[in-house]
Amino acid sequence: GQQVMQIPQYQHVQEGEDFTTYCNSSTTLSNIQWYKQRPGGHPVFLIQLVKSGEVKKQKRLTFQFGEAKKNSSLHITATQTTDVGTYFCAVTRSPSGGYNKLIFGAGTRLAVHP
Amino acid sequence: GAVVSQHPSRVICKSGTSVKIECRSLDFQATTMFWYRQFPKQSLMLMATSNEGSKATYEQGVEKDKFLINHASLTLSTLTVTSAHPEDSSFYICSARDSRTSTDTQYFGPGTRLTVL
Repeated sequence: GQQVMQIPQYQHVQEGEDFTTYCNSSTTLSNIQWYKQRPGGHPVFLIQLVKSGEVKKQKRLTFQFGEAKKNSSLHITATQTTDVGTYFCAVTRSPSGGYNKLIFGAGTRLAVHP
Repeated sequence: GAVVSQHPSRVICKSGTSVKIECRSLDFQATTMFWYRQFPKQSLMLMATSNEGSKATYEQGVEKDKFLINHASLTLSTLTVTSAHPEDSSFYICSARDSRTSTDTQYFGPGTRLTVL
Protein backbone atom coordinates (compact mmCIF):
# COMPACT_ATOMS: atom_id res chain seq x y z
CA GLY A 1 0.00 0.00 0.00
CA GLN A 2 0.92 3.63 -0.21
CA GLN A 3 3.34 4.63 2.52
CA VAL A 4 5.32 7.72 3.25
CA MET A 5 8.80 7.91 4.72
CA GLN A 6 9.53 10.80 7.04
CA ILE A 7 12.96 11.94 8.20
CA PRO A 8 14.60 12.71 10.51
CA GLN A 9 12.95 10.88 13.39
CA TYR A 10 14.29 13.31 15.91
CA GLN A 11 15.99 16.68 15.83
CA HIS A 12 17.09 18.99 18.51
CA VAL A 13 18.12 22.54 17.81
CA GLN A 14 19.12 25.66 19.66
CA GLU A 15 16.46 28.30 19.80
CA GLY A 16 16.82 30.52 16.75
CA GLU A 17 18.14 27.78 14.47
CA ASP A 18 16.17 26.51 11.51
CA PHE A 19 14.50 23.11 11.27
CA THR A 20 13.32 20.99 8.34
CA THR A 21 11.46 17.70 8.13
CA TYR A 22 10.98 15.75 4.92
CA CYS A 23 8.44 13.28 3.63
CA ASN A 24 8.97 11.04 0.63
CA SER A 25 6.71 8.68 -1.25
CA SER A 26 7.50 6.15 -3.97
CA THR A 27 4.20 6.95 -5.67
CA THR A 28 2.63 10.17 -6.83
CA LEU A 29 0.45 11.73 -4.18
CA SER A 30 -2.88 13.47 -4.71
CA ASN A 31 -2.17 15.71 -1.75
CA ILE A 32 -0.22 15.82 1.48
CA GLN A 33 -1.18 17.18 4.86
CA TRP A 34 0.94 18.32 7.77
CA TYR A 35 0.04 18.08 11.45
CA LYS A 36 1.66 19.16 14.69
CA GLN A 37 1.28 17.25 17.94
CA ARG A 38 2.45 18.87 21.14
CA PRO A 39 3.69 16.57 23.93
CA GLY A 40 0.64 14.99 25.57
CA GLY A 41 -1.69 16.51 22.98
CA HIS A 42 -3.46 15.46 19.83
CA PRO A 43 -2.58 16.17 16.19
CA VAL A 44 -3.56 19.59 14.96
CA PHE A 45 -4.01 20.19 11.26
CA LEU A 46 -1.53 22.70 9.84
CA ILE A 47 -1.97 22.67 6.09
CA GLN A 48 -2.81 20.69 2.98
CA LEU A 49 -0.79 20.87 -0.23
CA VAL A 50 -2.38 19.83 -3.50
CA LYS A 51 -0.59 21.36 -6.46
CA SER A 52 2.72 20.32 -7.96
CA GLY A 53 5.51 22.62 -6.76
CA GLU A 54 3.21 24.36 -4.33
CA VAL A 55 4.76 26.50 -1.59
CA LYS A 56 2.72 27.83 1.30
CA LYS A 57 3.79 29.90 4.26
CA GLN A 58 2.37 30.31 7.73
CA LYS A 59 4.46 32.88 9.59
CA ARG A 60 7.79 31.10 10.22
CA LEU A 61 6.61 27.81 8.67
CA THR A 62 7.16 27.07 4.97
CA PHE A 63 5.57 24.04 3.35
CA GLN A 64 6.62 22.71 -0.04
CA PHE A 65 5.20 20.06 -2.34
CA GLY A 66 7.62 18.63 -4.89
CA GLU A 67 7.21 19.05 -8.61
CA ALA A 68 6.61 15.32 -9.03
CA LYS A 69 4.22 15.31 -6.05
CA LYS A 70 6.26 12.58 -4.39
CA ASN A 71 7.90 14.59 -1.64
CA SER A 72 7.19 17.43 0.70
CA SER A 73 8.97 19.42 3.35
CA LEU A 74 8.18 21.60 6.32
CA HIS A 75 10.73 24.25 7.22
CA ILE A 76 10.67 26.34 10.37
CA THR A 77 12.75 29.50 10.40
CA ALA A 78 14.29 30.69 13.67
CA THR A 79 12.73 28.08 15.93
CA GLN A 80 11.16 29.04 19.23
CA THR A 81 10.44 26.91 22.29
CA THR A 82 6.78 26.98 21.31
CA ASP A 83 7.66 24.97 18.20
CA VAL A 84 8.41 21.90 20.32
CA GLY A 85 6.39 18.86 19.33
CA THR A 86 6.14 16.14 16.73
CA TYR A 87 5.43 17.07 13.14
CA PHE A 88 3.66 14.51 11.00
CA CYS A 89 2.98 14.40 7.32
CA ALA A 90 -0.03 12.42 6.19
CA VAL A 91 -1.10 11.17 2.80
CA THR A 92 -4.42 10.03 1.47
CA ARG A 93 -5.06 6.47 0.53
CA SER A 94 -8.24 5.64 -1.36
CA PRO A 95 -9.48 2.10 -0.83
CA SER A 96 -11.83 0.88 -3.53
CA GLY A 97 -15.39 1.88 -2.73
CA GLY A 98 -14.44 3.59 0.49
CA TYR A 99 -13.68 7.01 1.84
CA ASN A 100 -10.18 8.37 1.65
CA LYS A 101 -8.15 7.62 4.72
CA LEU A 102 -5.01 9.23 6.07
CA ILE A 103 -1.77 7.36 6.44
CA PHE A 104 0.67 9.11 8.73
CA GLY A 105 4.42 9.32 8.45
CA ALA A 106 6.50 8.30 11.43
CA GLY A 107 6.82 11.90 12.55
CA THR A 108 9.77 14.11 13.41
CA ARG A 109 10.14 15.03 17.05
CA LEU A 110 11.53 18.51 17.48
CA ALA A 111 13.23 19.63 20.68
CA VAL A 112 14.26 23.27 21.03
CA HIS A 113 16.83 24.26 23.60
CA PRO A 114 16.65 27.84 24.87
CA GLY B 1 -14.52 25.83 13.34
CA ALA B 2 -14.88 22.06 13.40
CA VAL B 3 -14.59 20.66 16.91
CA VAL B 4 -14.37 17.02 17.89
CA SER B 5 -14.65 15.90 21.49
CA GLN B 6 -13.69 12.63 23.12
CA HIS B 7 -14.78 11.14 26.39
CA PRO B 8 -13.25 10.12 28.68
CA SER B 9 -9.89 11.84 28.34
CA ARG B 10 -8.23 9.34 30.60
CA VAL B 11 -9.30 5.93 31.90
CA ILE B 12 -7.69 3.28 34.05
CA CYS B 13 -9.27 -0.15 34.17
CA LYS B 14 -8.56 -3.65 35.32
CA SER B 15 -7.51 -6.38 32.95
CA GLY B 16 -10.51 -8.22 31.52
CA THR B 17 -12.96 -5.31 31.69
CA SER B 18 -14.41 -3.39 28.76
CA VAL B 19 -13.98 0.30 28.13
CA LYS B 20 -16.12 2.52 25.92
CA ILE B 21 -14.73 5.68 24.33
CA GLU B 22 -17.00 8.27 22.73
CA CYS B 23 -16.15 10.56 19.86
CA ARG B 24 -18.47 13.44 19.01
CA SER B 25 -18.43 16.04 16.28
CA LEU B 26 -19.79 19.11 18.03
CA ASP B 27 -20.65 21.56 15.28
CA PHE B 28 -20.79 19.50 12.13
CA GLN B 29 -22.08 16.20 10.85
CA ALA B 30 -19.64 13.42 10.20
CA THR B 31 -20.73 10.44 8.15
CA THR B 32 -17.22 9.12 8.49
CA MET B 33 -15.06 8.99 11.58
CA PHE B 34 -11.71 7.33 12.08
CA TRP B 35 -10.12 5.63 15.06
CA TYR B 36 -6.37 5.70 15.61
CA ARG B 37 -4.08 4.23 18.20
CA GLN B 38 -0.77 5.79 19.18
CA PHE B 39 1.85 4.12 21.34
CA PRO B 40 4.43 6.30 23.12
CA LYS B 41 6.81 8.09 20.76
CA GLN B 42 5.22 6.42 17.75
CA SER B 43 3.03 7.55 14.92
CA LEU B 44 -0.72 7.31 14.65
CA MET B 45 -1.90 3.97 13.34
CA LEU B 46 -5.31 3.82 11.76
CA MET B 47 -7.43 1.12 13.37
CA ALA B 48 -10.73 1.46 11.58
CA THR B 49 -13.03 3.67 9.57
CA SER B 50 -16.41 4.20 11.13
CA ASN B 51 -19.33 4.83 8.77
CA GLU B 52 -22.65 6.12 10.01
CA GLY B 53 -25.35 3.51 9.67
CA SER B 54 -23.09 0.74 8.45
CA LYS B 55 -20.36 -1.57 9.64
CA ALA B 56 -16.92 -0.24 10.36
CA THR B 57 -14.01 -1.07 8.08
CA TYR B 58 -11.06 -2.41 10.02
CA GLU B 59 -7.42 -2.18 9.05
CA GLN B 60 -5.41 -5.34 8.61
CA GLY B 61 -4.39 -6.83 11.93
CA VAL B 62 -7.06 -5.08 13.99
CA GLU B 63 -9.47 -7.50 15.67
CA LYS B 64 -13.02 -6.37 15.02
CA ASP B 65 -14.38 -8.49 17.87
CA LYS B 66 -12.03 -6.85 20.32
CA PHE B 67 -12.46 -3.27 19.15
CA LEU B 68 -16.19 -2.76 18.66
CA ILE B 69 -17.17 0.35 16.75
CA ASN B 70 -20.64 1.82 16.59
CA HIS B 71 -21.54 4.91 14.57
CA ALA B 72 -25.23 5.27 15.33
CA SER B 73 -25.65 8.94 14.51
CA LEU B 74 -24.06 11.61 12.37
CA THR B 75 -22.28 13.10 15.37
CA LEU B 76 -21.29 10.13 17.50
CA SER B 77 -19.03 7.14 17.12
CA THR B 78 -18.01 4.84 19.94
CA LEU B 79 -15.07 2.49 20.33
CA THR B 80 -15.36 -0.28 22.90
CA VAL B 81 -12.22 -2.12 23.89
CA THR B 82 -13.49 -5.48 25.07
CA SER B 83 -11.68 -7.67 27.57
CA ALA B 84 -8.87 -5.17 27.81
CA HIS B 85 -5.34 -6.31 28.57
CA PRO B 86 -2.22 -4.34 29.51
CA GLU B 87 -0.99 -4.44 25.91
CA ASP B 88 -4.09 -2.47 24.92
CA SER B 89 -2.83 0.47 26.98
CA SER B 90 -2.39 3.28 24.49
CA PHE B 91 -3.56 6.69 23.36
CA TYR B 92 -6.73 6.33 21.31
CA ILE B 93 -7.62 9.24 19.04
CA CYS B 94 -10.64 9.72 16.85
CA SER B 95 -11.06 12.05 13.93
CA ALA B 96 -14.02 13.14 11.89
CA ARG B 97 -14.39 14.15 8.31
CA ASP B 98 -16.76 17.06 7.71
CA SER B 99 -19.53 15.77 5.43
CA ARG B 100 -20.17 19.27 4.10
CA THR B 101 -16.81 19.49 2.37
CA SER B 102 -15.14 17.51 -0.36
CA THR B 103 -11.69 17.80 1.16
CA ASP B 104 -9.82 15.07 2.99
CA THR B 105 -9.25 17.22 6.05
CA GLN B 106 -9.88 15.38 9.28
CA TYR B 107 -10.49 17.04 12.64
CA PHE B 108 -9.01 15.22 15.57
CA GLY B 109 -10.40 14.72 19.04
CA PRO B 110 -8.21 15.35 22.09
CA GLY B 111 -7.58 11.63 22.57
CA THR B 112 -8.23 9.11 25.33
CA ARG B 113 -5.36 7.69 27.32
CA LEU B 114 -6.19 4.11 28.31
CA THR B 115 -4.22 2.32 30.99
CA VAL B 116 -5.03 -1.32 31.65
CA LEU B 117 -3.69 -2.69 34.91
